[in-house]
Amino acid sequence: QKEVEQNSGPLSVPEGAIASLNCTYSDRGSQSFFWYRQYSGKSPELIMSIYSNGDKEDGRFTAQLNKASQYVSLLIRDSQPSDSATYLCAVNMGDYKLSFGAGTTVTVRA
Amino acid sequence: SAVISQKPSRDICQRGTSLTIQCQVDSQVTMMFWYRQQPGQSLTLIATANQGSEATYESGFVIDKFPISRPNLTFSTLTVSNMSPEDSSIYLCSVMASTGRNTGELFFGEGSRLTVL
Repeated sequence: QKEVEQNSGPLSVPEGAIASLNCTYSDRGSQSFFWYRQYSGKSPELIMSIYSNGDKEDGRFTAQLNKASQYVSLLIRDSQPSDSATYLCAVNMGDYKLSFGAGTTVTVRA
Repeated sequence: SAVISQKPSRDICQRGTSLTIQCQVDSQVTMMFWYRQQPGQSLTLIATANQGSEATYESGFVIDKFPISRPNLTFSTLTVSNMSPEDSSIYLCSVMASTGRNTGELFFGEGSRLTVL
C-alpha cells in the first residue's frame, strides 16, 4: 500500500470553478500535512500546511484535514488559468521526512 | 524561507561517468535532504544530509551510488556515480523551514535536471 495516495487526474475545471483535490495517507500517527504546487519544469512550491483537524484557509486555497479518516484535501476556489499545475500532497512520516503522493494535474480552462 | 541555489541546473552526461550537484543555502539550516523526481513521477527521498557525519539513506539508495557530503550547515553535495540512462532525473535539494516548532515544512532548490545518454 502506498503511503500517500491522491485522486487520479488529470482534473480539468472551468475558470472560476472550484477544484477539489483529495489525498489519503496510511500512517495514522502522521501529524503534519502539506500541499505543494509544481509548475511544469519547476520545483515544488509549498502552498499550504495543516496540522489540526478542520479547515485552514489561505486566500483562494482551503486545506481540510480529518485525521480519523486519514484524509486531507485541498480546495481551490475561483480557479484561474495560473492555477494550472500539478499539486502534490505530502505527509510527514516522522524524523521530518516527507512522503509525497503521485500528484494531481489540474488544468483550468479559460 | 531560505534561498536555495543548486548547480548545475541541467547537464547531459555520458553513461559511466559521475556528476556532482551542489546545493548552497543562504542561511544555516539543520535539516537538509536530497530528493529525486524521475520523469512524470513524484518525489522520492534519497537521503538526509547530516552535517559532519554520514548521510542517512532511504531504502533503495546506497552511498556508493549517491555519495553525499555536508561539510557545514549551508552547503551539501550529491554525487550521482557511474551513471546509466535510468539515472536521468531531476535531483532536488531541500531544507526544512527554521521554525521553533520544526513543523516539517520543506523548501526546494530549483533542481538539477540530468540526462544520461
